[in-house]
Amino acid sequence: ETGVTQTPRHLVMGMTNKKSLKCEQHLGHNAMYWYKQSAKKPLELMFVYSLEERVENNSVPSRFSPECPNSSHLFLHLHTLQPEDSALYLCASSLLGWSAGANVLTFGAGSRLTVL
Amino acid sequence: DAKTTQPNSMESNEEEPVHLPCNHSTISGTDYIHWYRQLPSQGPEYVIHGLTSNVNNRMASLAIAEDRKSSTLILHRATLRDAAVYYCILLRDDKIIFGKGTRLHILP
Repeated sequence: ETGVTQTPRHLVMGMTNKKSLKCEQHLGHNAMYWYKQSAKKPLELMFVYSLEERVENNSVPSRFSPECPNSSHLFLHLHTLQPEDSALYLCASSLLGWSAGANVLTFGAGSRLTVL
Repeated sequence: DAKTTQPNSMESNEEEPVHLPCNHSTISGTDYIHWYRQLPSQGPEYVIHGLTSNVNNRMASLAIAEDRKSSTLILHRATLRDAAVYYCILLRDDKIIFGKGTRLHILP
């Protein structure tokens, strides 16, 4: 049990669907992150929330919309996705602020997304 | 972005020590060296981190060169469960950027 829970673990959606990925942590952490992992590519940072405020948006297309309603929950809303958006989406959290050098991330197991 | 260089893959025999190298010649004085690993079908998992001195924890040891331009993650006695992709990352006042890492194969 990693302490960071992601749901659903697997999601298949059409290009016109709207769906959401959910991430939850009860570690008392202050920052939360979304990463994308495509096949044979390094993890790509998408969004960072620190104390519920978005502090990083890494040029992610607007069809991905993050939401952080409180320090324990993070969502990634998906709409009008493309097949190339199929990937493993990983949520992480950290106790320290996201820019701290000794920062340690705790990852969830990921949500495997397939866009048809 | 701070750059690290790792071999694409390595092999080791079970129950033997494993030394995973990482080069980071452009490291600055405030950069921390972090290691994560990703087991199959899981998210990355923190292994260890350090700044200047060598570090030990229950999972591994981190040996940092005196000039800090390279480091080595040491698994003292590899098991089949240590087969994973190992990422060496530099962290400063910046986001954590993952490279391609080293895929470690453990031979029974």
